[in-house]
Amino acid sequence: AQSVTQPDIHITVSEGASLELRCNYSYGATPYLFWYVQSPGQGLQLLLKYFSGDTLVQGIKGFEAEFKRSQSSFNLRKPSVHWSDAAEYFCAVGRIGFQKLVFGTGTRLLVSP
Amino acid sequence: DADVTQTPRNRITKTGKRIMLECSQTKGHDRMYWYRQDPGLGLRLIYYSFDVKDINKGEISDGYSVSRQAQAKFSLSLESAIPNQTALYFCATSVGGSGANVLTFGAGSRLTVL
Repeated sequence: AQSVTQPDIHITVSEGASLELRCNYSYGATPYLFWYVQSPGQGLQLLLKYFSGDTLVQGIKGFEAEFKRSQSSFNLRKPSVHWSDAAEYFCAVGRIGFQKLVFGTGTRLLVSP
Repeated sequence: DADVTQTPRNRITKTGKRIMLECSQTKGHDRMYWYRQDPGLGLRLIYYSFDVKDINKGEISDGYSVSRQAQAKFSLSLESAIPNQTALYFCATSVGGSGANVLTFGAGSRLTVL
């Protein structure tokens, strides 16, 4: 069965510092991988996705993620965090044909001044 | 107007009451989904529908039912609400094919069952 692990429940980063949010997945086939962001009081918004090809994918708001098959990881990065990036971030895994998109438990990002 | 609209945004109800959460979309997507979000548990799929005549149970469908009234409308019902159904509920839509995994979410409906 598919599963997604986000080991960090909360992360605090200083504004301007770099960010890396961890995501590990368990999946028997080539996965489709996603990062979604949920701002307070809002629904989830797609940040970026990986289907195939280049393992480093660029998303909106200056985020990027790297698919590492050998480590079953899809970590999200941003070189310089802004206060507006404070939100909850969800990693998700799916596959072609879609039966169920499986979400991780989320990582809440706090940005300190 | 939002692409995916959920009503109500907030609802407080009592145990045993029937509740309906409604979702409508202007994306023209065939596929619609209901997810439930609980702190520390992420999002879990309740029901999904690939078209008006196709409705499928997700991982946590017990205690819930759905109706796909039209391509653009997908409602979630709690026939007899219980306190552990207190949660944030999201409706989402997608196209089919390889784009099926890319979901567009509504803003959520927060339900409190007392």
